[in-house]
Amino acid sequence: DAKTTQPPSMDCAEGRAANLPCNHSTISGNEYVYWYRQIHSQGPQYIIHGLKNNETNEMASLIITEDRKSSTLILPHATLRDTAVYYCIVRDNAFITGTASKLTFGTGTRLQVTL
Amino acid sequence: EAQVTQNPRYLITVTGKKLTVTCSQNMNHEYMSWYRQDPGLGLRQIYYSMNVEVTDKGDVPEGYKVSRKEKRNFPLILESPSPNQTSLYFCASSPGTLYNEQFFGPGTRLTVL
Repeated sequence: DAKTTQPPSMDCAEGRAANLPCNHSTISGNEYVYWYRQIHSQGPQYIIHGLKNNETNEMASLIITEDRKSSTLILPHATLRDTAVYYCIVRDNAFITGTASKLTFGTGTRLQVTL
Repeated sequence: EAQVTQNPRYLITVTGKKLTVTCSQNMNHEYMSWYRQDPGLGLRQIYYSMNVEVTDKGDVPEGYKVSRKEKRNFPLILESPSPNQTSLYFCASSPGTLYNEQFFGPGTRLTVL
């Protein structure tokens, strides 16, 4: 699986958009970009994933650059409850072995939402 | 409510005393997995199971055992715990290896003295 690079921490004012970047310059053609978050040692929570098109769901938007070497997770109106560690993960979705579903978490970005 | 449950949530034990951490999911998921989380190391997979009676090692299986006798349960067994197994443990499940989203349990904080 490709390695990802994220800034260790970011701040965002409540009500503003939080834009979390992720670099994955070695991503291969069949690897997806996933985002999870972990709030204060709780179990990680899935946010969104994509291959090459931009994606949006009720939680966030995912913007993937055309060359797929980087992406940005956007929380459109951050709240205090969005304070968490956000993980960008790149992995192959191909059905090869069960380890295809292993999620390799790095150290993520600690997002602090403030009043 | 669809969920993954783990028990106990907190456990302090001593070296060598066998323990079991239970994991159960009510979503009829085929795939289940155990991770441990340590500061600076992220989440690392211990064992996984693709279905009943099918289990395999993850990245850090040493010192752990698992079983999958029923679809909903995937217990993690530490036969002889050691202090280096002090960690935060998470169980996760998903409908299958092709599925995108894994659902995580609330975590079990284990301390081995």
